Amino acid sequence: GAVVSQHPSWVICKSGTSVKIECRSLDFQATTMFWYRQFPKQSLMLMATSNEGSKATYEQGVEKDKFLINHASLTLSTLTVTSAHPEDSSFYICSAPRIGQVGEQYFGPGTRLTVT
Amino acid sequence: AQSVTQPDIHITVSEGASLELRCNYSYGATPYLFWYVQSPGQGLQLLLKYFSGDTLVQGIKGFEAEFKRSQSSFNLRKPSVHWSDAAEYFCAVGRDYKLSFGAGTTVTVRA
Repeated sequence: GAVVSQHPSWVICKSGTSVKIECRSLDFQATTMFWYRQFPKQSLMLMATSNEGSKATYEQGVEKDKFLINHASLTLSTLTVTSAHPEDSSFYICSAPRIGQVGEQYFGPGTRLTVT
Repeated sequence: AQSVTQPDIHITVSEGASLELRCNYSYGATPYLFWYVQSPGQGLQLLLKYFSGDTLVQGIKGFEAEFKRSQSSFNLRKPSVHWSDAAEYFCAVGRDYKLSFGAGTTVTVRA
């Protein structure tokens, strides 16, 4: 079946530094990918839509300058958390829709970010 | 505004017993409805989905869900739970691939 991978699976960084998370679709092309954030015991919150070849679109309340998204190719989207702070610590999940399968998305395993 | 409510934060069920997870939603039109399961270290896996038609939908792993428009509900059921069903379950609604998720229900299976 379709697979979406994320790298790294977990990362620890110091306050003020930036960290990049990769999301790859392994066996299909994805012109669009989605980035979600999940707090412990809470639902996934859609942060932004990553579009190949154009700017990402951000959900209301998401700081686009803090969460930089780049969709470099049809199989890769990256999320960079800039100037990270402890409140950015969270579980970040990406997904990619499968073209031709209405409404279906394939989710990556997530990246646990801890900012110290 | 759209929202999804999963009233049960945590459910414990005995292996072999039946399971029902509740999901209520608020949406401007009839949305697409989904149930996903999340296991540690793995991505969310789609259990089943409803777009239109028969309101009782069958999914993978023996799960089924029933869409009730009058109650804005999409409850998930399984007749006989296996220990491997212990996981976090999320109900999601939306269209055009943009989904709103409920807070999730953690299912614990006891022997």
